[in-house]
Amino acid sequence: QVQLVQSGAEVKKPGASVKVSCKASGYTFTSYGISWVRQAPGQGLEWMGWISAYNGNTNYAQKLQGRVTMTTDTSTSTAYMELRSLRSDDTAVYYCARDNSLLDLRWFDPWGQGTLVTVSS
Amino acid sequence: DIQMTQSPSSLSASVGDRVTITCRASQSISSYLNWYQQKPGKAPKLLIYAASSLQSGVPSRFSGSGSGTDFTLTISSLQPEDFATYYCQQSYSTPRSFGQGTKLEIK
Repeated sequence: QVQLVQSGAEVKKPGASVKVSCKASGYTFTSYGISWVRQAPGQGLEWMGWISAYNGNTNYAQKLQGRVTMTTDTSTSTAYMELRSLRSDDTAVYYCARDNSLLDLRWFDPWGQGTLVTVSS
Repeated sequence: DIQMTQSPSSLSASVGDRVTITCRASQSISSYLNWYQQKPGKAPKLLIYAASSLQSGVPSRFSGSGSGTDFTLTISSLQPEDFATYYCQQSYSTPRSFGQGTKLEIK
């Protein structure tokens, strides 16, 4: 079955960086993109950006431009999201999701289990 | 950026009730609208894509409708496992924004 498995929880100090992984299985990795979505404690969902697993093209949310980098390793069917210069308001659960498309329509399914990143001094 | 606004923000209902959640986009998004369900401590789950297409494996009591700026998610007869938070999300343009969520609670 199609599955995305993320790396474990992280605790980081302000100013540090974090890199979260998302390993895909059950489908041809390069046929889909991966989006990253985060959720601060008790809050809603925020789209962070997207990467094409086919050619590595990216599209980042403007508010994260310059701090976020999304990459893929097609040899291991793994996507990565690195966030730098961490602040306390980056504390959140970070999700990866397969980006499905039909013509211009797009949706996220399935999702990884989530990775809690805590930023605290 | 396109803003998505859901109403209500919270809703109390009973098992067996018919429930409707509304999502409004700040500009026309055609049918580029998806619905997700999230239970506490779990990842979101896709229910409806392209405004009205039911994702495989999702019970038929869930349905979506609308186009342009106004959309609805309807649960025809609430089941105990349906109590969760529901999010709409537009895929018309980036950033692919979500509504703020509607928390469906047991009355």
